[in-house]
Amino acid sequence: ETGVTQTPRHLVMGMTNKKSLKCEQHLGHNAMYWYKQSAKKPLELMFVYSLEERVENNSVPSRFSPECPNSSHLFLHLHTLQPEDSALYLCASSQYKTPNTEAFFGQGTRLTVV
Amino acid sequence: LAKTTQPISMDSYEGQEVNITCSHNNIATNDYITWYQQFPSQGPRFIIQGYKTKVTNEVASLFIPADRKSSTLSLPRVSLSDTAVYYCLVGGDGNKLVFGAGTILRVKS
Repeated sequence: ETGVTQTPRHLVMGMTNKKSLKCEQHLGHNAMYWYKQSAKKPLELMFVYSLEERVENNSVPSRFSPECPNSSHLFLHLHTLQPEDSALYLCASSQYKTPNTEAFFGQGTRLTVV
Repeated sequence: LAKTTQPISMDSYEGQEVNITCSHNNIATNDYITWYQQFPSQGPRFIIQGYKTKVTNEVASLFIPADRKSSTLSLPRVSLSDTAVYYCLVGGDGNKLVFGAGTILRVKS
């Protein structure tokens, strides 16, 4: 248990569906992150939120839409996904703007697009 | 962000000490060096972090030479459960936590 909780753990969705991934942390961190990890590939940083403002968007397609309503919650809204979007989606949190940052990761959501 | 270079993979046997070296030639003055461990289908887990010289915790040791252009993660007496991917990250203020390919460590019996 890392203090970062992701739901659901597994998700199967069709290409025309709309779904959302949820991430929650109560560690008092002020930054939250979304990562994508495809099979046997490194983690790809997708979005970074600091104090509920998006500070990083690494050229992610618009079919992925993040939302950070407060410092404890982060969502990733999914719509019109493609099969190549199937991956493990990981959420993390940390203290932003500090030099010795330790990040805590959730267990991830295994997404399959059919 | 400083670029890091690690070996793609390493093999070891149970009970041995494993040293994984990471190169980061353009490390900045305020950058820290952090190592993470990742098991399949799980999120990475923080192992150790340091700025200079040597840091030790209950899991590993981190050796950083004076020029800070490289660092070595040392895992004492590895077991099969240490088989994982190990990532070296270098960053400081506004750390964006960008992961490289990491080092696949395979521990054999």
